[in-house]
Amino acid sequence: GQSLEQPSEVTAVEGAIVQINCTYQTSGFYGLSWYQQHDGGAPTFLSYNGLDGLEETGRFSSFLSRSDSYGYLLLQELQMKDSASYFCAVVRMDSSYKLIFGSGTRLLVRP
Amino acid sequence: DTAVSQTPKYLVTQMGNDKSIKCEQNLGHDTMYWYKQDSKKFLKIMFSYNNKELIINETVPNRFSPKSPDKAHLNLHINSLELGDSAVYFCASSHLGGIGEKLFFGSGTQLSVL
Repeated sequence: GQSLEQPSEVTAVEGAIVQINCTYQTSGFYGLSWYQQHDGGAPTFLSYNGLDGLEETGRFSSFLSRSDSYGYLLLQELQMKDSASYFCAVVRMDSSYKLIFGSGTRLLVRP
Repeated sequence: DTAVSQTPKYLVTQMGNDKSIKCEQNLGHDTMYWYKQDSKKFLKIMFSYNNKELIINETVPNRFSPKSPDKAHLNLHINSLELGDSAVYFCASSHLGGIGEKLFFGSGTQLSVL
């Protein structure tokens, strides 16, 4: 079978750093993506890791370890506007490429 | 210019009715998707089309029928609506079938079945 695990909720203070972990179990693993979704909005792409290691995009970084079936999203210098849901998503290859989403982590940034 | 646009934004209807949601992308992508997001925010892929050809059908009830008249459009028709169909439906598109590429999502259609 397949599974994606991430915490349901995380709370952090403005200006702090927060890490959202994602563990996965799936066949045909190809890579790991992260998406952000504000309440009432559409998911928007944040980052993709096809290889092990760290990818940095501004205040956001994402990490992948294929051997540990684990990744994380790191958000630095948190701002109030970062309050949103964050989804890890496995890119999976069986008969075709497919993006399978986790259940999402709701991040609340407090002043 | 909206990259991925879907209509309507809200759809309220009675059980048993048939309804359609339309989606268009102007990004020149060759792959389009329908995702369903339930009340617990779980996003589940339903269908994917690549150049008008169905490539993913995730054991969705056959009351759901996607149609892709061309690679810029992917519509979703739902027959005999049920209470459990209430959700937000997102259309998305990508280049290269989503292999590490960004999925661009539409703003969603909130379907409420009464």
